Amino acid sequence: GENVEQHPSTLSVQEGDSAVIKCTYSDSASNYFPWYKQELGKRPQLIIDIRSNVGEKKDQRIAVTLNKTAKHFSLHITETQPEDSAVYFCAAHIQGAQKLVFGQGTRLTINP
Amino acid sequence: GAVVSQHPSWVICKSGTSVKIECRSLDFQATTMFWYRQFPKQSLMLMATSNEGSKATYEQGVEKDKFLINHASLTLSTLTVTSAHPEDSSFYICSANRDTQGDSPLHFGNGTRLTVT
Repeated sequence: GENVEQHPSTLSVQEGDSAVIKCTYSDSASNYFPWYKQELGKRPQLIIDIRSNVGEKKDQRIAVTLNKTAKHFSLHITETQPEDSAVYFCAAHIQGAQKLVFGQGTRLTINP
Repeated sequence: GAVVSQHPSWVICKSGTSVKIECRSLDFQATTMFWYRQFPKQSLMLMATSNEGSKATYEQGVEKDKFLINHASLTLSTLTVTSAHPEDSSFYICSANRDTQGDSPLHFGNGTRLTVT
C-alpha cells in the first residue's frame, strides 16, 4: 500500500530562520499532497496543499514543492515565528482508495 | 469556522463499557467520513472509512466488531468503541471532505480524547 515517509521527526530552528520538512511517497498515482499543522491537543489544520500538476505553491511564508519524478515533496517555512511551533504532517492522497495517508509528523520548535 | 463537529471532546470510561463518538458535517453533506486514531506523539492512523448507507471500510488490523461505525445520514457518522480497554485510550478524530472528490482538503473534527480506566 501507499507509504509516506517524513523527515526529520524533530526540528529546532532559531526564530527568523527557515525550516524545511521533507516527505516521500511510494504510490506514483498519488495526486494530492496536503500539509497539516497540529498544535498540542487540537485538530490538524490544513496549511497548504499541492496537486500533482503543479511543481510549487506559495502562500506568504509557507511554500510547498513537489518532485513527481522523485516522488517527494517538501514544506518550506521562512522567517519562522514562535507561533509556528507545532507538529506538522504531510499526507498523500491515494487516488484509487480515495483516502489520505499521513507521514509520521515533524515536531517543529522555534527558539526565540 | 469549523465545518466538522465532533462530540464529546473527552470521555473517561471504565474498562468493559462502550463509548459512542459522534461526527457531524455542519454545512455540507458528507457521503464519506474518515475515522483516525492518534496515540501520543504519533501520527494519524486511518481506522476506517465511513460510507453513508453502506458498511464501513476498515483498515487492516482494525477490529470491525470492536469499533462499530454507523453512517446513517449524510451529516452524521458515529464510532462506538465497544468493550473498551485501557489500550484503547487514544485521541480519536473524524474528518470529511467538503467536496465530493477525495483529492480535496480534509476537514477534521476537534477530536475525542478517550481514557479507559
